[in-house]
Amino acid sequence: KNEVEQSPQNLTAQEGEFITINCSYSVGISALHWLQQHPGGGIVSLFMLSSGKKKHGRLIATINIQEKHSSLHITASHPRDSAVYICAVESYNTDKLIFGTGTRLQVFP
Amino acid sequence: NAGVMQNPRHLVRRRGQEARLRCSPMKGHSHVYWYRQLPEEGLKFMVYLQKENIIDESGMPKERFSAEFPKEGPSILRIQQVVRGDSAAYFCASSRTVNSNQPQHFGDGTRLSIL
Repeated sequence: KNEVEQSPQNLTAQEGEFITINCSYSVGISALHWLQQHPGGGIVSLFMLSSGKKKHGRLIATINIQEKHSSLHITASHPRDSAVYICAVESYNTDKLIFGTGTRLQVFP
Repeated sequence: NAGVMQNPRHLVRRRGQEARLRCSPMKGHSHVYWYRQLPEEGLKFMVYLQKENIIDESGMPKERFSAEFPKEGPSILRIQQVVRGDSAAYFCASSRTVNSNQPQHFGDGTRLSIL
């Protein structure tokens, strides 16, 4: 079993829909990251959080440390949100990131 | 204020050649991480370096792969005698410190293709 699990693996949506991507992890962590990767592109850090909730524009990230679970929400989705969204955790006793396999999101106009 | 710079963006090598991937961290960052993304797979940690020191290389293949981060200049990931299975995107990230308030910033990656 992977230490970081994401769901769903693939997600399609109509423009304007509210989107949720989930991440569960099984290790003790010091922080959790949400990353965005466009096809053939680089990786952009969206959020780093260790508790509670963060919001940036139409993106919201939440984390529940007790349940070892995080969600990424996109409100009023747009075709330009189409990308792979990756959850990654910083293991509590090391400095390296452990990645989920990503959620491929396609938003259609 | 430039971000993490990786070069080249694309690198093509024939089997048996050497590949050198470069990463210049953000200004003020002394911690560098290398990750590999195989086709249709997730990112995997390879190595973590501070200036002149390898801190954690638990994700590096035991043979043909090496990494350095000299006192002056970029970090280098070196792959000797490349094979087809080395074809992947290699990402570098840097951070200022290792505490949880300091995020890692990623470069755009180097896409390595082995003919």
